[in-house]
Amino acid sequence: EPEVTQTPSHQVTQMGQEVILRCVPISNHLYFYWYRQILGQKVEFLVSFYNNEISEKSEIFDDQFSVERPDGSNFTLKIRSTKLEDSAMYFCASSEEGRASYEQYFGPGTRLTVT
Amino acid sequence: AQKITQTQPGMFVQEKEAVTLDCTYDTSDPSYGLFWYKQPSSGEMIFLIYQGSYDQQNATEGRYSLNFQKARKSANLVISASQLGDSAMYFCAMREVYNNNDMRFGAGTRLTVKP
Repeated sequence: EPEVTQTPSHQVTQMGQEVILRCVPISNHLYFYWYRQILGQKVEFLVSFYNNEISEKSEIFDDQFSVERPDGSNFTLKIRSTKLEDSAMYFCASSEEGRASYEQYFGPGTRLTVT
Repeated sequence: AQKITQTQPGMFVQEKEAVTLDCTYDTSDPSYGLFWYKQPSSGEMIFLIYQGSYDQQNATEGRYSLNFQKARKSANLVISASQLGDSAMYFCAMREVYNNNDMRFGAGTRLTVKP
């Protein structure tokens, strides 16, 4: 069964450093998403991406964040200058369509630790 | 505004018994989708079940069923014949048609199945 993959599974970085989290969505999916989950808290929406542009973003997704689809398979989340509060699990998700009836398939997540 | 409410931070159930996890939601969108995800201790998000706002019947997937009461805006997950492997966090989520790019999650319920 096709699945969303994410690399790395765990990333440790120092405050102020740039990180890039990578995701490979399911191949025939057109909508891509990033979510984050601070330890012990709920999953929060960051950004959605369709047709090579951001379609929606939350208030969390400030200028420190950017997303890119550099080729036909990868979908990346970049944090320009990490802060301690960026420590969280980051989930990538993809969906065949953007309609409400279509589930989003989640990747296994990348645990980001900022020290 | 809180769109998804899960009022049970933790639940216990005896193995082989049924358990109901509560979820209420708030939307003015006439068309929306409701989802339940399971998050085991390993961290991944596993899709369990989906209910569309226009679906006449309650969704079922194996041991999972969704008790959908549209007028009360509730979408409770029922797990029958609980197994030890059901111990996990469970998240209720919603996607709205007119705000359909992201999935809004509740705070989650931690279910513990006792032998």
